[in-house]
Amino acid sequence: DAKTTQPTSMDCAEGRAANLPCNHSTISGNEYVYWYRQIHSQGPQYIIHGLKNNETNEMASLIITEDRKSSTLILPHATLRDTAVYYCIGQGAQKLVFGQGTRLTINP
Amino acid sequence: SAVISQKPSRDICQRGTSLTIQCQVDSQVTMMFWYRQQPGQSLTLIATANQGSEATYESGFVIDKFPISRPNLTFSTLTVSNMSPEDSSIYLCSVEVMGTEAFFGQGTRLTVV
Repeated sequence: DAKTTQPTSMDCAEGRAANLPCNHSTISGNEYVYWYRQIHSQGPQYIIHGLKNNETNEMASLIITEDRKSSTLILPHATLRDTAVYYCIGQGAQKLVFGQGTRLTINP
Repeated sequence: SAVISQKPSRDICQRGTSLTIQCQVDSQVTMMFWYRQQPGQSLTLIATANQGSEATYESGFVIDKFPISRPNLTFSTLTVSNMSPEDSSIYLCSVEVMGTEAFFGQGTRLTVV
């Protein structure tokens, strides 16, 4: 599994777009980029994943650079309930290897 | 999707004792995963449990300390044996469905005194 690097913490104003970066320069060609989040005292929750193309679902958008060495998770209209630790994971095998993640705080 | 129930949700245990954590899934899954999350830390994979075979443990985790059972495709248990205060953590069960996203239980918050 690829090693990922994320900022330790970020702040965002409520209603604005939250852009969370992730570096995964060692990712291999068959490894997907997954994003999960963990709200305090809960189990991690799947957000989105992608291989090469940008992806969008009801929760977020995922922008992957053409060289696949980095990606950005976008929460288009952040709410207070989006305050959580966000994990970027490069996954080839079925098991998930979690890094330290980014603690995102949404401020009113 | 998958709904995972973990029991107990929390417990306070005496050092030297053992605790068995149960994980029940509402659908049949091939692989189940057990994670540990120490206070203020990220999740660390303990082992992968396949039905009908021995669990596969990650580096730093051994079967004598964390025995795992997987009697069928919807159920698994993790036992934390001979507990010490350093075992105080949240233990989480996870499954992967359709080879895409993983689903997690709410975790078992263990305090060893």
